[in-house]
Amino acid sequence: SAVISQKPSRDICQRGTSLTIQCQVDSQVTMMFWYRQQPGQSLTLIATANQGSEATYESGFVIDKFPISRPNLTFSTLTVSNMSPEDSSIYLCSGRDRGIGELFFGEGSRLTVL
Amino acid sequence: GQQLNQSPQSMFIQEGEDVSMNCTSSSIFNTWLWYKQDPGEGPVLLIALYKAGELTSNGRLTAQFGITRKDSFLNISASIPSDVGIYFCAGSGGSNYKLTFGKGTLLTVNP
Repeated sequence: SAVISQKPSRDICQRGTSLTIQCQVDSQVTMMFWYRQQPGQSLTLIATANQGSEATYESGFVIDKFPISRPNLTFSTLTVSNMSPEDSSIYLCSGRDRGIGELFFGEGSRLTVL
Repeated sequence: GQQLNQSPQSMFIQEGEDVSMNCTSSSIFNTWLWYKQDPGEGPVLLIALYKAGELTSNGRLTAQFGITRKDSFLNISASIPSDVGIYFCAGSGGSNYKLTFGKGTLLTVNP
């Protein structure tokens, strides 16, 4: 199974600022995803990170708010832009090494917006 | 979109007891996955199921992919304190391979 590392693991941010979360996988994965987990809630898919092209966003999520990059098969970033307290969540990076294989998660990045 | 109903929402059991939780879907899934999440951690994959009727074990854990392809269950036998955590089911259908997650089952084990 792929090992996925995220940083920062947690941060406290001020309203109106932006933060970029990095995700590094220890092996090449065909698909990478970004999820959000609000306090006490389940996981919600934000977008599919596509290598070398624009991410595919789910309903309710837009590129201006959550720009995503994926320059290669092992790295991706998610930026949470112009943050508000409602953006306080755990953001999780995940990867899948085959089209229908298991999905593995990083340890998450816990953001608190004041 | 696809919806998953996971139950129960929470369970409080005594050490040594068996546990069962399940998920039902409003649509057919091709894959069912079960995850456990500890506080401050990301979800960890426990069991993956790919065929209707498939029954798979991982130590004290057993999960089954329902025949109708719209449900799955997870059993934990002889629970121990480290089983405490939130258990999520997740499924995907169609060709997009995107996972939909259940709302989770919070398991508390009393020593």
